[in-house]
Amino acid sequence: QVQLVQSGAEVKKPGASVTVSCKASGYTFTSHYIHWVRQAPGQGLEWMGIINPIGGSTTYAQKFRGRVTMTRDTSTTTVYMELSSLRSEDTAVYYCAKDNGYYNFLVWGQGTLVTVSS
Amino acid sequence: QSALTQPPSVSGSPGQSVTISCTGTSSDVGSYDRVSWYQQPPGTAPKLMIYEVTNRPSGVPDRFSGSKSGNTASLTISGLQAEDEADYYCSSYTTISTVVFGGGTKLTIL
Repeated sequence: QVQLVQSGAEVKKPGASVTVSCKASGYTFTSHYIHWVRQAPGQGLEWMGIINPIGGSTTYAQKFRGRVTMTRDTSTTTVYMELSSLRSEDTAVYYCAKDNGYYNFLVWGQGTLVTVSS
Repeated sequence: QSALTQPPSVSGSPGQSVTISCTGTSSDVGSYDRVSWYQQPPGTAPKLMIYEVTNRPSGVPDRFSGSKSGNTASLTISGLQAEDEADYYCSSYTTISTVVFGGGTKLTIL
C-alpha cells in the first residue's frame, strides 16, 4: 500500500539545523509531488512547501524561505526537509504528505516531532 | 498569505447537521476549485475528507459534503455521529502556487 514513513523525533538547540526524512513506497515516486506541513503544539496546520520528485524543483512558503531546503533522492525514494536557524517557535510535528492532484493530501506520513530547546 | 478564516468551534447533537465555513480571498478560495477539508482527531495525522470543493475520497461517508460560493467554502456534516468529533481544517491552492490552511474548527458532539 501507499506509505510515507518519516524519521524519528529530534531534539535540537536554538540555532541548530534539523533534517527530517520521508520515505515513500507503494507508488511511482516520480509521479506525485510531496508537501511538508507542520503543526505546533495545540495549533493549526501550516504549509511549508512542495518538491517535485522529477528534477527536484521546489516552492516554499514565504515564511520559510531562506531557512528551509527540500531535496529528494530518487534512488531511495526519499524526500528530505532541512530547517535551519531553529528557534523555540519551530517546535512542532512535521508531516510529509503526498499530493493527490491539485494540491490536496490523501496520504500523510506519521509525523516527526522536532523539539527546539536549550 | 494569510490563513483562511474558520470558526474556532461548532457543536451539534447526534443526528443533527453542522456546517463549517472557510473564508478566503480572490487569491485563493475564490480563484480555484481546489479547496480541501481535513479531519484530525487528537494525536493523529490529518485525514482528507473532501477535495476539489465537492469530491469525497473512497471510504469517506456521504454524510460529508462540500460546497463553495465566491470566496467562502463550506463543509457540511449531516447525521452527526460521536466519531465525527475532531478538529477540521480547510485548505486552498493559491494564485502564487502555494497552499494556505484555515485556522481549524473544533467540532464537539453534544
